[in-house]
Amino acid sequence: RKEVEQDPGPFNVPEGATVAFNCTYSNSASQSFFWYRQDCRKEPKLLMSVYSSGNEDGRFTAQLNRASQYISLLIRDSKLSDSATYLCVVNKERPGGSYIPTFGRGTSLIVHP
Amino acid sequence: DTGVSQNPRHKITKRGQNVTFRCDPISEHNRLYWYRQTLGQGPEFLTYFQNEAQLEKSRLLSDRFSAERPKGSFSTLEIQRTEQGDSAMYLCASSRGQETQYFGPGTRLLVL
Repeated sequence: RKEVEQDPGPFNVPEGATVAFNCTYSNSASQSFFWYRQDCRKEPKLLMSVYSSGNEDGRFTAQLNRASQYISLLIRDSKLSDSATYLCVVNKERPGGSYIPTFGRGTSLIVHP
Repeated sequence: DTGVSQNPRHKITKRGQNVTFRCDPISEHNRLYWYRQTLGQGPEFLTYFQNEAQLEKSRLLSDRFSAERPKGSFSTLEIQRTEQGDSAMYLCASSRGQETQYFGPGTRLLVL
């Protein structure tokens, strides 16, 4: 089983739709969690961090469920410009304070008119 | 532009040759990461530095791969005796401590 798993999609949704992605992780010692966005042939860019209490940034809501070991990303009122690959990232702390960031393979979202 | 820069952006080489990539992080960032990404996959962690110290290395980083950050600023990633399986996008990122990682545009390597 991979450490971080995501449904690769693609998720095809019309403009204005609400779409949700999940990301599961296998290591219960994981410390911090993020969602990144990656456009085709571009570098990943941070979308938002994921906090234990859940957090919202405009149309985007991220949640963490430690008991079930997954994080989620909800996008409301989808825009054409939201079309991209969404990568979840899980940081696992190592002895000595260093950590290893592990990326999922990404979920592809296509928003159509 | 004060973002992360990587050079070269593209590299085509023949199997068996050595290649070296450079990453210049954001100047006040003390952490620097290297990743490899292939089509349809997320970035795979290779290694990271805190200042000049290499703190973690992935099992993916075989003996043919070496990374340095001699003065705690720019970093180089060298691949010796390249193989076709090394063809990928090599991404560099930097951060201030455990804060957000900022990625460079990547170096796309093709091994013929």
